[in-house]
Amino acid sequence: DGGITQSPKYLFRKEGQNVTLSCEQNLNHDAMYWYRQDPGQGLRLIYYSQIVNDFQKGDIAEGYSVSREKKESFPLTVTSAQKNPTAFYLCASSIVRSGTGGQNIQYFGAGTRLSVL
Amino acid sequence: AQSVTQLGSHVSVSEGALVLLRCNYSSSVPPYLFWYVQYPNQGLQLLLKYTTGATLVKGINGFEAEFKKSETSFHLTKPSAHMSDAAEYFCAVGAQKLVFGQGTRLTINP
Repeated sequence: DGGITQSPKYLFRKEGQNVTLSCEQNLNHDAMYWYRQDPGQGLRLIYYSQIVNDFQKGDIAEGYSVSREKKESFPLTVTSAQKNPTAFYLCASSIVRSGTGGQNIQYFGAGTRLSVL
Repeated sequence: AQSVTQLGSHVSVSEGALVLLRCNYSSSVPPYLFWYVQYPNQGLQLLLKYTTGATLVKGINGFEAEFKKSETSFHLTKPSAHMSDAAEYFCAVGAQKLVFGQGTRLTINP
């Protein structure tokens, strides 16, 4: 089955610790995205990547880092600099199309819930 | 810049009643508009999308939405609510990057 796999489903972070959330897709999509979801705030974009070895900051990138070494994988690291990391994290991917006005449907993984110990 | 406002963070309807979830957008370019649904502790699933052409868009699970440029709206409707429709619904605008509304939690009363 094609889709987006996020792991782990639940993650706990200790004070001063960096943690990495995994996101893998087998949809052959070029673009991948990381969102943070907090109650009542919708989804906010952390980072996105439209091609391997390239990525851009979203609206709330501080305290986070990413890499895009493979097309299929876009891991997110929540660093110790992120003082309020408790949230639900969603990864998404989409085809990057040209000549269609850029309309891309984003497909989402099932999410990782991060809590602080 | 693009933005989305969803009117009402929580909507409650009776089973069998009309569902109406409101979304207004702001965009300096012709918008691409989306409605997504999220069930508890899950990711988002696309309900429907508007790109160009017909302004009344039909989606999955009996939902539809109408793009009204003059009102900058893209409200989501379903004629008859079912218990399984209980979820959170997000309106979004954008192309490569999506801007999401704050979400509307839909509760269905038996």
